[in-house]
Amino acid sequence: DVKVTQSSRYLVKRTGEKVFLECVQDMDHENMFWYRQDPGLGLRLIYFSYDVKMKEKGDIPEGYSVSREKKERFSLILESASTNQTSMYLCASSQGLAETYEQCFGPGTRLTVT
Amino acid sequence: GENVEQHPSTLSVQEGDSAVIKCTYSDSASNYFPWYKQELGKRPQLIIDIRSNVGEKKDQRIAVTLNKTAKHFSLHITETQPEDSAVYFCAAYDYKLSFGAGTTVTVRA
Repeated sequence: DVKVTQSSRYLVKRTGEKVFLECVQDMDHENMFWYRQDPGLGLRLIYFSYDVKMKEKGDIPEGYSVSREKKERFSLILESASTNQTSMYLCASSQGLAETYEQCFGPGTRLTVT
Repeated sequence: GENVEQHPSTLSVQEGDSAVIKCTYSDSASNYFPWYKQELGKRPQLIIDIRSNVGEKKDQRIAVTLNKTAKHFSLHITETQPEDSAVYFCAAYDYKLSFGAGTTVTVRA
């Protein structure tokens, strides 16, 4: 059973702070993803990674960066948090390059920026 | 890039009735269409998917249909039960998954 865990369920940060969201998967998946989920907008892809030290921009990368130093860990970084980054952040992982591999999601981190 | 539109945004059905959610996509290169279910406070989970070379797929009470020519696909839930109440997301894959905005389904007892 794939386990994708995220470092925090709830997080409150102040505007301008640097924020780190951590995601760890324990099934040796190659691919990892960061999404944000907002009501009425669905899940929007921020960044993804097909391999260690590799990253690709998704649909809304502005204001975010990522780091993947180890295969099992994918970090999302908000360089200078802003109130419009208040959202639910979901991490996901999948096994391989084929599109039919299921994306397995973490429980989410609800981030509030004040 | 791919654009996925999903309708309706909310759907209320009587227990035992059917529910249908429709999605359209823009990129004719998209070739894989999964559906995810997210129960309140939980993570999204894959419930069914379909590839572009298949027109219909069924798994017990849920089915998905795909019309490549019209670039739309639909989720059908028959004999709805209270546990079907959730948010459902469609998605289309070109080189990444693009999700629809979601449909909140409420099954009334």
